[in-house]
Amino acid sequence: GAVVSQHPSRVICKSGTSVKIECRSLDFQATTMFWYRQFPKQSLMLMATSNEGSKATYEQGVEKDKFLINHASLTLSTLTVTSAHPEDSSFYICSARNPGQGDTEAFFGQGTRLTVV
Amino acid sequence: GNSVTQMEGPVTLSEEAFLTINCTYTATGYPSLFWYVQYPGEGLQLLLKATKADDKGSNKGFEATYRKETTSFHLEKGSVQVSDSAVYFCALSEGQGGSEKLVFGKGTKLTVNP
Repeated sequence: GAVVSQHPSRVICKSGTSVKIECRSLDFQATTMFWYRQFPKQSLMLMATSNEGSKATYEQGVEKDKFLINHASLTLSTLTVTSAHPEDSSFYICSARNPGQGDTEAFFGQGTRLTVV
Repeated sequence: GNSVTQMEGPVTLSEEAFLTINCTYTATGYPSLFWYVQYPGEGLQLLLKATKADDKGSNKGFEATYRKETTSFHLEKGSVQVSDSAVYFCALSEGQGGSEKLVFGKGTKLTVNP
């Protein structure tokens, strides 16, 4: 299957700093990528849909100025958590679909465990 | 809106036991249905899927049948192994074109003991 790589897998940052998470599709071009957040013992909640070459679409309740998404190329989307606070500590996961495989399967990155201290 | 409800865990079984994790959904239209598995410390992996009513998805001994009449997609395995210990997520996707969202259930943690 297609491969989606996410980096870093773990990051610890100080409160008030910014953190960037990268999501790459390694063997296909992804016009659309998705960013999810997973709190402990909870399901994945979609944060935003990242569209190559245009602005991301954010879900209700997600602050677009805090969670900056850039999808500058067909193989890379980045999520920047700005002015991070302890409540932003979570597991962030990206996913992408491979148009060559049709529209039904999403491939997920390994996830990034963010801890804000 | 669309939603997925799955059996709350955790579920603890002995090796070789039979597994069922219930999943029901609410959706407009005709969604595709999925089961994803998340092993400890890893991201999600697609386990199986079904794209239309009466389809059966299967993989690694796991099966689920898309039941439109009961809006269900229950996950089953006849004989679980310790290596099946993970969190299982039921999900649905609706639409065409590759830009639709996945809606997930809350996940069910499965622990299989030797």
